[in-house]
Amino acid sequence: EDQVTQSPEALRLQEGESSSLNCSYTVSGLRGLFWYRQDPGKGPEFLFTLYSAGEEKEKERLKATLTKKESFLHITAPKPEDSATYLCAVSLNTGNQFYFGTGTSLTVIP
Amino acid sequence: GAVVSQHPSWVICKSGTSVKIECRSLDFQATTMFWYRQFPKQSLMLMATSNEGSKATYEQGVEKDKFLINHASLTLSTLTVTSAHPEDSSFYICSARIQGGYGYTFGSGTRLTVV
Repeated sequence: EDQVTQSPEALRLQEGESSSLNCSYTVSGLRGLFWYRQDPGKGPEFLFTLYSAGEEKEKERLKATLTKKESFLHITAPKPEDSATYLCAVSLNTGNQFYFGTGTSLTVIP
Repeated sequence: GAVVSQHPSWVICKSGTSVKIECRSLDFQATTMFWYRQFPKQSLMLMATSNEGSKATYEQGVEKDKFLINHASLTLSTLTVTSAHPEDSSFYICSARIQGGYGYTFGSGTRLTVV
């Protein structure tokens, strides 16, 4: 059964305290893994797409990495404006569907 | 580029009435659009896949007669919640696949409250 699991469910960090969010997946035929940011009452905002193990993408304080079983979203020296829910999703080689993880709610305290 | 516009952003309706939510691709053509539902502090759950010119494909457990989907053109998909009840109150989000890639872009969501 295809499955996407994110951990932790919630994370509170002090401003400047670096950490990582995890997205584990068990799917048959991964086409791509996606990271999104979602603010309350808004739709998901695209961050990164990773296609193959070993791939890394960076954007400002965020860096996403991918292995054959999981992806990490590293956040370096976070700021309060980084507070949001971070969602990962996978697309498969067959079909058009997206499978979302349950998300990690990140709170960065000033 | 690749923007999906969703309207309304929020709506309050009385129990028993119907509500229509629109999702438009502004600068690209979307042969396929997706409708999600999201409860508070939960992830997005796919409800249905909307195909231009043909019937939508619904996920297991989603009532076709309650959630009517129409994809009449390459830039517009609509979700109508018929005979809405308080338990239909939720956050509804549409998305479309970005042309030429494997990514998806999302609308800003619609907060539906049924009173």
